[in-house]
Amino acid sequence: AQKITQTQPGMFVQEKEAVTLDCTYDTSDQSYGLFWYKQPSSGEMIFLIYQGSYDEQNATEGRYSLNFQKARKSANLVISASQLGDSAMYFCAMRVTGGGNKLTFGTGTQLKVEL
Amino acid sequence: DAGVTQSPTHLIKTRGQQVTLRCSPKSGHDTVSWYQQALGQGPQFIFQYYEEEERQRGNFPDRFSGHQFPNYSSELNVNALLLGDSALYLCASSLANWGDTQYFGPGTRLTVL
Repeated sequence: AQKITQTQPGMFVQEKEAVTLDCTYDTSDQSYGLFWYKQPSSGEMIFLIYQGSYDEQNATEGRYSLNFQKARKSANLVISASQLGDSAMYFCAMRVTGGGNKLTFGTGTQLKVEL
Repeated sequence: DAGVTQSPTHLIKTRGQQVTLRCSPKSGHDTVSWYQQALGQGPQFIFQYYEEEERQRGNFPDRFSGHQFPNYSSELNVNALLLGDSALYLCASSLANWGDTQYFGPGTRLTVL
């Protein structure tokens, strides 16, 4: 079975600063994918970034980057130049090859961006 | 490009009733997955439909059932509602191949009284 752990229930960051949201995972599968989603108060889960277990480079998408450390089984999300609109819940999720196409989610981190 | 849509937005039911939630996938997608998100938790996988068949199922009782139509839209049915079924129900669509990203709809918030 696979597991995602997000140990930061809440985080604060000042506007224009960078913030790192932590995610560790546990799986015995060698082939897997890691995702980050953003969930505003409206409820919709918005896809941010993806990292495959065999990808050698860390994924980047605009202001989002994924700090992937395979040996430590961590997949931290880094948001650069935070904006007020970044305030939301952030979920880390995993999909493993042997698990079909289902996603396993962590419990999330509530991020608040302050002026 | 239309994204994933879900209906209704909100729903209030009483214990023992039955409910049907609907989902239309993103244009071009053929696979639909359903997730339950209880308050303060991450989403939990219910099941996934492809080619009108249930392809994979999570740890949910048989009270939860689904259907996929030829146009790839999907329904989630829950029978004999319990108070614990109160949650946000999220639909996600993707392509059938394993490597594809799932895109989520806005969800249906179900309250069971």
